[in-house]
Amino acid sequence: GENVEQHPSTLSVQEGDSAVIKCTYSDSASNYFPWYKQELGKRPQLIIDIRSNVGEKKDQRIAVTLNKTAKHFSLHITETQPEDSAVYFCAASNGGGSYIPTFGRGTSLIVHP
Amino acid sequence: GAVVSQHPSRVICKSGTSVKIECRSLDFQATTMFWYRQFPKQSLMLMATSNEGSKATYEQGVEKDKFLINHASLTLSTLTVTSAHPEDSSFYICSARDRRGGIGSPLHFGNGTRLTVT
Repeated sequence: GENVEQHPSTLSVQEGDSAVIKCTYSDSASNYFPWYKQELGKRPQLIIDIRSNVGEKKDQRIAVTLNKTAKHFSLHITETQPEDSAVYFCAASNGGGSYIPTFGRGTSLIVHP
Repeated sequence: GAVVSQHPSRVICKSGTSVKIECRSLDFQATTMFWYRQFPKQSLMLMATSNEGSKATYEQGVEKDKFLINHASLTLSTLTVTSAHPEDSSFYICSARDRRGGIGSPLHFGNGTRLTVT
């Protein structure tokens, strides 16, 4: 099955800095890669996603890049703000037809004001 | 946007009792819902896939007789933790995919249920 590795587990930045979270996946058939943000005690919420026919996608301060050859994808947050502090999960669909995502272990992002 | 309602948000029960958690898609229909378990500071571990009108598909290591899943309609799935024990204490969270979006569309999560078994 699919295996998703996510790094780092904790990321601490100053307000205004950029933050990058990286994930790798194992199943070359995976073709859908969502990112979720989970604030403490709340539900994960989709913040951006990318499909395998696209190399990069941007939405304001958030961008995701995908390298299919290397089987890795990254989340980039620019001009970080304290409200960006949360746990971020990457995921990759299993490519087996059911598209059940496999989640990474999560990155706790802390933005210091 | 798509909303998934999960109840209860918190439940405390005694060891040996059963607890039912409901997951409803409020403004869309979901032929498939997913149940996850999340330990503190850890990722979302898929427990089972709930299929409307058919049996749930359980992940390896998840006891289907302990975690009963029923998906009776296109908007409701329930997870029943039977004969709960303290080790079942955890955060349980459901998610659903809008059937109109196809199998590659994103998941929408419920708010989760914090289960504490004393």
